[in-house]
Amino acid sequence: AQKITQTQPGMFVQEKEAVTLDCTYDTSDPSYGLFWYKQPSSGEMIFLIYQGSYDQQNATEGRYSLNFQKARKSANLVISASQLGDSAMYFCAMREGLRGSQGNLIFGKGTKLSVKP
Amino acid sequence: DAGVTQSPTHLIKTRGQQVTLRCSPKSGHDTVSWYQQALGQGPQFIFQYYEEEERQRGNFPDRFSGHQFPNYSSELNVNALLLGDSALYLCASSLFGGRAGTQYFGPGTRLTVL
Repeated sequence: AQKITQTQPGMFVQEKEAVTLDCTYDTSDPSYGLFWYKQPSSGEMIFLIYQGSYDQQNATEGRYSLNFQKARKSANLVISASQLGDSAMYFCAMREGLRGSQGNLIFGKGTKLSVKP
Repeated sequence: DAGVTQSPTHLIKTRGQQVTLRCSPKSGHDTVSWYQQALGQGPQFIFQYYEEEERQRGNFPDRFSGHQFPNYSSELNVNALLLGDSALYLCASSLFGGRAGTQYFGPGTRLTVL
């Protein structure tokens, strides 16, 4: 069963505008972590932001913020003030369990973001 | 602070051959995970190594095997290569006992099987 769903295969945004990339997840484990990664065409997966299931506040890292709605099981990534360098694939991922020892990441299929000048 | 490194960058093999991919974790990390990413897909978990033992394994056949060395670096071996093994292979390192256990990825090895 697919546990991470990213429904937007591709998105366009104008430079300097904000954009929201959608992610929904499915788990019965009350303890889990949610991650967003950026993958430029070079292939490297770059860690952007993390949200633990018990974290009370939405995570923020610079221009990235995670809109965490636990009851809806959604973890959308918001990028503010888009830049041309933000053009890339973006992956949402989940790990069941909160500790590094609890294993693997489950990824969605990704959203390709294109920033227009 | 050195990040995760992988070698080689690219590799071309023929069906039936064997391949070894290498990974050095980020400084301070003790755990290495390997992922396979087919074109147009998200990465799929292969296995995770900690303390030189395989701790978790995804849904991959035993043609895929690995090893972790005392310095925490790791190898991924694939035997009897199939055309379908063509993919980007990503290594990620993390801290086993870490609170979030965030995994940091290397640049990947692109394997082409002809």
